[in-house]
Amino acid sequence: KQEVTQIPAALSVPEGENLVLNCSFTDSAIYNLQWFRQDPGKGLTSLLLIQSSQREQTSGRLNASLDKSSGRSTLYIAASQPGDSATYLCAVRRTGNQFYFGTGTSLTVIP
Amino acid sequence: GAVVSQHPSRVICKSGTSVKIECRSLDFQATTMFWYRQFPKQSLMLMATSNEGSKATYEQGVEKDKFLINHASLTLSTLTVTSAHPEDSSFYICSARTTAGELFFGEGSRLTVL
Repeated sequence: KQEVTQIPAALSVPEGENLVLNCSFTDSAIYNLQWFRQDPGKGLTSLLLIQSSQREQTSGRLNASLDKSSGRSTLYIAASQPGDSATYLCAVRRTGNQFYFGTGTSLTVIP
Repeated sequence: GAVVSQHPSRVICKSGTSVKIECRSLDFQATTMFWYRQFPKQSLMLMATSNEGSKATYEQGVEKDKFLINHASLTLSTLTVTSAHPEDSSFYICSARTTAGELFFGEGSRLTVL
C-alpha cells in the first residue's frame, strides 16, 4: 500500500522567506502527483500537477519537483506572503482511481 | 482550473433525518467523482468512488446503506447521509477527476447533526 508522508507537520516563517515543503511516498509506481492548499473550513485548491514523466512544474512563485526513484516531491514557495498561510497537501495517484493523500503541512507566514 | 461546486456548504439537521449533498463539475465532464470525510486537523479519508452510470465503490468500513451515492450524470454526484446521527457530524468534501487525471475539489460541506 502506498504511504505518503509530509514533513514538517507545521512550519512558521517570516514574510519574504523562501521555503520548501516535503512529500515522500513509498511506492514509486505512480501516475502523477498533485499539490493542494486547504484553507480552514474550505475544500482543496489544486496548485500543481506533475505527471510521472515530468521532473518539475512551475506556477508563479510555486515550483514543484518530482523524483520518482527516491519517492520524493518538494514544493518550493518563493518570497512567502501572509496569504500563503494554509495547509498544504500532496496526493499521489497510482493507476486507476487510487489517490493517496499526505497528512499535510500547516504553514504560517508571519507578517 | 476546472470548477467543482458543492452544495450546501453548511447544513444542520436533527438526528434521524437524511441529508443530501450535491457535487457538480461546472465546466467539465467527470465520469469519476470521489467523496471524502475530513476530521479536524486530519487529512482526507476517502469514503467512496462514484462512477457515472454505475454503483459506487465504497472503502472498507464505510456503510453503503448509510452513505448513499448517486452519480446519475457526467456532472453531478450526490451523497445522502441517511438517518443521520451526531457521530456523522463532519466535513464532507467531493472531488472530480478530469480526463488529464487532475483532481479538483468542491468547497466542502459542514454537516452538524443535533
